Order: sequence, then C-alpha cells, then structure tokens
Amino acid sequence: ELKVEQNPLFLSMQEGKNYTIYCNYSTTSDRLYWYRQDPGKSLESLFVLLSNGAVKQEGRLMASLDTKARLSTLHITAAVHDLSATYFCAVDLWAGNQFYFGTGTSLTVIP
Amino acid sequence: DSGVTQTPKHLITATGQRVTLRCSPRSGDLSVYWYQQSLDQGLQFLIQYYNGEERAKGNILERFSAQQFPDLHSELNLSSLELGDSALYFCASSPRTSGGPYEQYFGPGTRLTVT
Repeated sequence: ELKVEQNPLFLSMQEGKNYTIYCNYSTTSDRLYWYRQDPGKSLESLFVLLSNGAVKQEGRLMASLDTKARLSTLHITAAVHDLSATYFCAVDLWAGNQFYFGTGTSLTVIP
Repeated sequence: DSGVTQTPKHLITATGQRVTLRCSPRSGDLSVYWYQQSLDQGLQFLIQYYNGEERAKGNILERFSAQQFPDLHSELNLSSLELGDSALYFCASSPRTSGGPYEQYFGPGTRLTVT
C-alpha cells in the first residue's frame, strides 16, 4: 500500500521565519498535490506538481517535486499568521483514480 | 467556494442506523471522490466514480456504498453505523481532462456523529 508521510506533523514558527515541510511517498508517481485546510473547513488546492523538478510558487509558499527521491517540499518564506493551517500533500497513484493523502502538517504562526 | 455542494452539513444518528450523504460536483466535472477524515485515521480515500461508473476503491468498508447518478450527483450510503464511523466526510470533484492534472475541488463536508 502506498504510504505518504509528512514531517513535521506539528510546526510552530514565528512570523518572519522560513521553514520547509517535507512529503515523502513510497511508490512511483509523477503527480503530487498540496492542499490547505483551515480548522473546521474544507480542503483548498494550493499546488499541482506534474513532473520531476517541477517548482511552483504562490505568495510566500513554494512547492517542489523530486520524483526520483519521491520527495516534495513546501517551503514557507517569511511566515505570517494567515498561513496558520494544516497542509496536506497527496499522491495520485493511478491517473487520477486514486489519491493517497499525507498525515498533514499543522502549522501555527506565532506573532 | 469550490462549487461542490454537500448535504447535509451535520448529521447525528444512533448506532445501527443508516444514512445517506449527498454530493453535487462542480458544473462539468465528471469525476467524484469520497473521503473520510477522522482524527485517528487522517484523510482516507473511500471511492471514486467517473461519469456514473465506479473507477477506484480505497479503504471503504463493506457497510458503505456509493453511486453516481446520470445527473452526476453522488450519494454515499453508510449502514449499520458504529461509533467509529463518526467523522467528517468530504466529496471532491475533478474535471479529469485526458492526461491530467487531476486537481480536486472539495466540498464543505458532512460531519457525521454516531451516538
């Protein structure tokens, strides 16, 4: 069974600092997705990474994918309180038919 | 607002009962996915339908079933409910253009509480 692991599970960081969330997965896939979930809310799509070496940036968040290492990273630059949420990565195992989500990383940005 | 709707928003029922959760995908999306989110299991993929046909099954219990209707809305049926079935159930839809990407748009969820 495909395993998707994120670390850290919990992250508390000060405003203005940088940090990286890691997503490792156990089988070959060249599609990886990042989602954000606010407490009590639904999931919102952040990034879709479709090939080895893909890098996408939106505001203070940048995601990258290394399919050979089976690793994706979500880098946070100069964190602000609004980024506080849980972040999930997901792997598309079979052409969009089956998705496996990571454990999630709960991020708290402290003023 | 993702354009995916789910009803009801909240559902409280007793053990042994049966409930139906409903999902309407975004206009034009042919694919519907169901997920269960709980504190101990995380976000688990249950089942996926594409244009009325089942395409993939995940960790869906035999007590659970789903279908997608000709108008593309989908229903998830949960029967013989147990306390452990209490969770947030999400529906997501995807346009599924050939070759991807298969970005999913999530509905607001149905919170099921089994007492």
